[in-house]
Amino acid sequence: AQSVTQLGSHVSVSEGALVLLRCNYSSSVPPYLFWYVQYPNQGLQLLLKYTTGATLVKGINGFEAEFKKSETSFHLTKPSAHMSDAAEYFCAVSSFSGGYNKLIFGAGTRLAVHP
Amino acid sequence: GAVVSQHPSRVICKSGTSVKIECRSLDFQATTMFWYRQFPKQSLMLMATSNEGSKATYEQGVEKDKFLINHASLTLSTLTVTSAHPEDSSFYICSAREGQVVETQYFGPGTRLLVL
Repeated sequence: AQSVTQLGSHVSVSEGALVLLRCNYSSSVPPYLFWYVQYPNQGLQLLLKYTTGATLVKGINGFEAEFKKSETSFHLTKPSAHMSDAAEYFCAVSSFSGGYNKLIFGAGTRLAVHP
Repeated sequence: GAVVSQHPSRVICKSGTSVKIECRSLDFQATTMFWYRQFPKQSLMLMATSNEGSKATYEQGVEKDKFLINHASLTLSTLTVTSAHPEDSSFYICSAREGQVVETQYFGPGTRLLVL
């Protein structure tokens, strides 16, 4: 069965600093991996995804993530944090079960950005 | 981009009453809709998957008689929490998928349910 672990429920960085949000997964098959962002009172928005091919994936708002099979990781990074990046971030892995494709989510990491 | 709405955004009800939450895809037809539940500081937990015109598929441990799901049209799914109790208080999130590709899920803003 697939699962996702996000290390650190809260991460705080200074504006302009590197953002690193950690995600490790468990999957018995080649995974499809996703990062979503949730702003207050809004739905989840897809930041980026990895399916096949290039292991470094670029997403919206300057975020990127690298799929590392040997480390079973899919960490999310951004070189320079902006105040508007403050939000909840969810890592997810796809799972095919019971005839349906589903998403299995991590617990989420709340990113705070301070001046 | 594709928009999914949920109504209401927040509801408070008395124990023993039933509450209906609507999930609508505003600018696309959703062949599949998903209902999630999220406890504070925890993951989104998939409750059920529904396809338009057919019965929902519930995840293990989710009571189908407690959480009634109806997906009567390609733009509307409803979740009814029947005979709600305080332990049903949670954040309920729906998502809608246009096709079969797993990543094209669009999420609603969620509904906060508080049962007194």
